[in-house]
Amino acid sequence: DIQMTQSPSSLSASVGDRVTITCRASQSISSFLNWYQQKPGKTPKLLIYAASSLQSGVPSRFSGTGSGTDFTLTISSLQPEDFATYYCQQSYSIPRTFGQGTKVEIK
Amino acid sequence: EVQLLESGGGLVQPGGSLRLSCAASGFTFRSYGMSWVRQAPGKGLEWVSAISGSGGSTYYADSVKGRFAISRDNSKNTLYLQMNSLRAEDTAVYYCAKEETPYSSSWPHGLNWLDPWGQGTLVTVSS
Repeated sequence: DIQMTQSPSSLSASVGDRVTITCRASQSISSFLNWYQQKPGKTPKLLIYAASSLQSGVPSRFSGTGSGTDFTLTISSLQPEDFATYYCQQSYSIPRTFGQGTKVEIK
Repeated sequence: EVQLLESGGGLVQPGGSLRLSCAASGFTFRSYGMSWVRQAPGKGLEWVSAISGSGGSTYYADSVKGRFAISRDNSKNTLYLQMNSLRAEDTAVYYCAKEETPYSSSWPHGLNWLDPWGQGTLVTVSS
């Protein structure tokens, strides 16, 4: 199975900050990497697919980069509604695997 | 608008069984693969199972293989997860999700993503 490792596990940031979350795969997964946002008590929501494609309706302050084993999710200017947990997920192979999540909290 | 509505969760004793349903609307159900993903209380997301649009291909996480069975009824636009021999560690919110892919011939591998997700149904395994 492909292991997905996110860092950091949590971070504290202020509104307006630039935030970067990293996801590393245990083997190359090309660009088959997705990012999801989950707010407390809510269902996960797709943000980025295929490593860098922004899902329709998602604000442009979210961006994704990377290929192979190393990927990043960047929020260019953190907004109050962005405080949530973020997960990466590989679609290269079955079983699909998720990172452990990164919780973004208010500083 | 695509909608997914799970049902069937509840409290069950260890060793018991439960069947979850996911009613889909707003898209051509038979044309899309579907997945179940679960989330234990306070924990992260764990993919459980996937099924092709026709229902002819199914896939499982090792943690549920041999105990859970995914199926679908395309005439009813409904996805199912039959869960047998339930354990305490199966306690979680179970989400169904639509599999999106621009290349159906390569599914379930390669370029695909889960969107949208249902609201989830809670399964609690406890005596």
